[in-house]
Amino acid sequence: KAGVTQTPRYLIKTRGQQVTLSCSPISGHRSVSWYQQTPGQGLQFLFEYFSETQRNKGNFPGRFSGRQFSNSRSEMNVSTLELGDSALYLCASSPRQVSGNTIYFGEGSWLTVV
Amino acid sequence: DQQVKQNSPSLSVQEGRISILNCDYTNSMFDYFLWYKKYPAEGPTFLISISSIKDKNEDGRFTVFLNKSAKHLSLHIVPSQPGDSAVYFCAASESGGYQKVTFGTGTKLQVIP
Repeated sequence: KAGVTQTPRYLIKTRGQQVTLSCSPISGHRSVSWYQQTPGQGLQFLFEYFSETQRNKGNFPGRFSGRQFSNSRSEMNVSTLELGDSALYLCASSPRQVSGNTIYFGEGSWLTVV
Repeated sequence: DQQVKQNSPSLSVQEGRISILNCDYTNSMFDYFLWYKKYPAEGPTFLISISSIKDKNEDGRFTVFLNKSAKHLSLHIVPSQPGDSAVYFCAASESGGYQKVTFGTGTKLQVIP
């Protein structure tokens, strides 16, 4: 069974640009969540989608957005990039729609903003 | 507001000995706890979990202990191996709500051969 797939793995963007990251969950998993990892900050929750609906959102500015498609694939978008957005962006999927279950991560997308 | 805390940023252990990684949480609504292992440039890998109805869960060399009254959990690795060298994240969630996992800041474990 294929794991969570994220693309692209690495990318470099310039301040002010926007970026779109893609995530394909494990087959059969309908819950997709996104996390940001920066040095010393652990993993910070961005948002979670289930059945194309955003159900939960972390404390990030509106520049961070996402969506989920009918096949459960998800994208996240960051507009007007800032240097501080440089981070590892991780997607995770879960077979259950409720919390209290294991989530499984992809390899992540490394974003560098210059 | 750091609801899951890993107060030791790093830990060094000799190969073959026990590694003990600690984690504290403040949210009493958390009832499901997980440990993930992360190598550089890779995504976190799920290791082991425990529900609040238990106080111990074992999987091979890995054992997680939960002390609900102290809001504390620990991960024991016995025996430690050089391949265990990685960053370990403690995480917690509330059952039944929308999917959201809260992570600690991680402990970097180095197992010395």
